[in-house]
Amino acid sequence: GENVEQHPSTLSVQEGDSAVIKCTYSDSASNYFPWYKQELGKRPQLIIDIRSNVGEKKDQRIAVTLNKTAKHFSLHITETQPEDSAVYFCAASKEYKLSFGAGTTVTVRA
Amino acid sequence: DGGITQSPKYLFRKEGQNVTLSCEQNLNHDAMYWYRQDPGQGLRLIYYSQIVNDFQKGDIAEGYSVSREKKESFPLTVTSAQKNPTAFYLCASSTLRPSGELFFGEGSRLTVL
Repeated sequence: GENVEQHPSTLSVQEGDSAVIKCTYSDSASNYFPWYKQELGKRPQLIIDIRSNVGEKKDQRIAVTLNKTAKHFSLHITETQPEDSAVYFCAASKEYKLSFGAGTTVTVRA
Repeated sequence: DGGITQSPKYLFRKEGQNVTLSCEQNLNHDAMYWYRQDPGQGLRLIYYSQIVNDFQKGDIAEGYSVSREKKESFPLTVTSAQKNPTAFYLCASSTLRPSGELFFGEGSRLTVL
């Protein structure tokens, strides 16, 4: 099955700085790569996703890049704010089965 | 108010007992999923269902069972055969499009005493 590895497991950044989270996947047939954000005590919610026919996607302060050849994809958050503090999960999917990474706890320091 | 409802939010169980977690959705989604969340291990897929009366094992199905008798409902039973059942359980649903967004419930925290 698909194996998704996510790094780092924790990330502390100064408010206003950028944060980068990286993921690798094992199954070259995976074609959909979403990112979910889970705030403390809340349910995970989709923040951005990318499909295998696209190399980069941006939505305001967040962006995702995909390198199919290397089988890795990354989440970039610019100008971090306190509300960006959360656990972020990457995932990879083919058809209907989504496999998640272990998560990255991001803390934004004021 | 559309969404996914999980119950109970907190559940305590003695060893050797089966427990059933409820998951109901009114989003008219065909697909439903159960994930287990443990610290440092992300979300691991237990079971999923794409259509009524059909479901498939995920990566960690041992010790769990499910049913899908209605489109809106996908209950999960944690049996006594599950070696380490204490965890946070999340139910989710999506459309049948391969890249459909997962909508999660608020979760159920099971503690085995």
